[in-house]
Amino acid sequence: AQSVTQLGSHVSVSEGALVLLRCNYSSSVPPYLFWYVQYPNQGLQLLLKYTTGATLVKGINGFEAEFKKSETSFHLTKPSAHMSDAAEYFCAVSDSVFGTSYGKLTFGQGTILTVHP
Amino acid sequence: ETGVTQTPRHLVMGMTNKKSLKCEQHLGHNAMYWYKQSAKKPLELMFVYSLEERVENNSVPSRFSPECPNSSHLFLHLHTLQPEDSALYLCASSQVFSEREKLFFGSGTQLSVL
Repeated sequence: AQSVTQLGSHVSVSEGALVLLRCNYSSSVPPYLFWYVQYPNQGLQLLLKYTTGATLVKGINGFEAEFKKSETSFHLTKPSAHMSDAAEYFCAVSDSVFGTSYGKLTFGQGTILTVHP
Repeated sequence: ETGVTQTPRHLVMGMTNKKSLKCEQHLGHNAMYWYKQSAKKPLELMFVYSLEERVENNSVPSRFSPECPNSSHLFLHLHTLQPEDSALYLCASSQVFSEREKLFFGSGTQLSVL
């Protein structure tokens, strides 16, 4: 069984500050890890994903995440927050080599990011 | 525009009503999905169709009935819903068995059951 824990349902940062959204997972097989973003009144968009290879993954909009097997973590970071980053972020895990295994992603509960001017 | 279109965007219905949610994908994908997003709960996968056949049904109550007439269209028929069914219903599509597979989501239908 897989699970995802996102630490902190709400994170607030100032514009220009570092963004750090935490995600820990549990999986009985090598995991495939994802971060999705959901802007208000929209569906989810893939930010980045880790399958194999380099553990530091770069995504869209300046975000990146690092897979740390020893810590079972996949935290999302961005060096400098922008107002447009305000959204809800979801971490997800899959055991499928093809990434989504017919959509059988296990999602975390989400972290709402607020960016203050 | 993600290539996945859902209608309507908002729906209010009584518990005795029958309504349908529609999803259309313009991406040439071979799999489509229904997810439920409730407040303060993780996204829940409801149904999966691949090549127009249902391959996954995560113990969803029978008051939700999916239909996939072709690879581009997916419906969710709703009948005698309960207030706890109020949620955002998201449709997604993907190209399964592709190394570049990822889910593309629609904007969702916000459903309120009175």
